[in-house]
Amino acid sequence: DGGITQSPKYLFRKEGQNVTLSCEQNLNHDAMYWYRQDPGQGLRLIYYSQIVNDFQKGDIAEGYSVSREKKESFPLTVTSAQKNPTAFYLCASREGGHYGYTFGSGTRLTVV
Amino acid sequence: QKEVEQNSGPLSVPEGAIASLNCTYSDRGSQSFFWYRQYSGKSPELIMFIYSNGDKEDGRFTAQLNKASQYVSLLIRDSQPSDSATYLCAVRSGGSNYKLTFGKGTLLTVNP
Repeated sequence: DGGITQSPKYLFRKEGQNVTLSCEQNLNHDAMYWYRQDPGQGLRLIYYSQIVNDFQKGDIAEGYSVSREKKESFPLTVTSAQKNPTAFYLCASREGGHYGYTFGSGTRLTVV
Repeated sequence: QKEVEQNSGPLSVPEGAIASLNCTYSDRGSQSFFWYRQYSGKSPELIMFIYSNGDKEDGRFTAQLNKASQYVSLLIRDSQPSDSATYLCAVRSGGSNYKLTFGKGTLLTVNP
């Protein structure tokens, strides 16, 4: 079945560590996105990529980095510069035209 | 800053009633409008999208768009307890970069 796979489902990070969240899709979608969701805050855009080897900053890119070396993969690294990383991270991809996103099941990151 | 506003709720309706969810947006050049349903602890799933003024119906769901008033709504007929969730309004703004801005969501509770 086609879909978006995010891993791990739960992730714990110590202060000062970098962590990488995986996002893989087999939908053959060109565009991929990373959002962060905090309680009461809605979804906020971190980074997005419309084609391979290209990506743009979203509204809250500071402390995050991404790569897009393959169409299927769009990993997100949460660096130690991100001061408040505890959140629910959602990866999405999009078919062309007016269609909306398809979301992965999310990664819940907690700083310990 | 492009904004999408929703009443956070909670909105409580009895089973079998019509639930009405509302959303306003600030960018007059917005092109496409989406409603997502998100169960607690889960990722959002697309319910409806609309991009022309008027109504669009899909089963028990009707999306309504009024671009002049910058207003989009979702009606859920014959509400069921399984409809209890947070409903997110998302808007695609104008321009070549396709990205969605999300509202903070409205929590709907359907009481048996």
